Amino acid sequence: DTGVSQNPRHKITKRGQNVTFRCDPISEHNRLYWYRQTLGQGPEFLTYFQNEAQLEKSRLLSDRFSAERPKGSFSTLEIQRTEQGDSAMYLCASSDSGTGPMNTEAFFGQGTRLTVV
Amino acid sequence: AQSVTQLDSQVPVFEEAPVELRCNYSSSVSVYLFWYVQYPNQGLQLLLKYLSGSTLVKGINGFEAEFNKSQTSFHLRKPSVHISDTAEYFCAVLKYGNKLVFGAGTILRVKS
Repeated sequence: DTGVSQNPRHKITKRGQNVTFRCDPISEHNRLYWYRQTLGQGPEFLTYFQNEAQLEKSRLLSDRFSAERPKGSFSTLEIQRTEQGDSAMYLCASSDSGTGPMNTEAFFGQGTRLTVV
Repeated sequence: AQSVTQLDSQVPVFEEAPVELRCNYSSSVSVYLFWYVQYPNQGLQLLLKYLSGSTLVKGINGFEAEFNKSQTSFHLRKPSVHISDTAEYFCAVLKYGNKLVFGAGTILRVKS
């Protein structure tokens, strides 16, 4: 078990370009979450998957953002036509889906820091 | 709606001194509360969690927190801090759908 892995760790892109981030969750976890963290703030929920189904999307996730988890394993988060306001740390987390809150511990990756110039 | 307020944005403290990081929550239903730590350029690591039972919760690295329902608080404490505890600490509440709602964070600066 190598934990939650995110790639790349850092990404610098020009405004208007598209970027894609990847998250590999802990292998036995079927829930996967994306959060965004801007400077001086706590992480904010973006979306989550149970297996390959995207069950919820935050209103923070504009039409330029899309997330997939095609085989219920790794996930990608794509941002199209990036804007300077997209600069943030994008965090991925995974958890088990056992019943009740006892299986709610979310394990976080190290994040992808996006800088839009 | 559930939300979390961390009352201090920064807490400076000398090494080996005690520290308390304050967290208040608002919720109209049962609460499940968490403290996470984030070191520079790293993801979040779970320190401890309150789901039910004893209101005093012990976590990793010598941290503990007390759930106080009447004061809607979940303050984090450590009796003696180390330089290595310098980090940002986030309080969070679990929302329906297993989503975490985080506070804005408290930066703990331990000075020698």
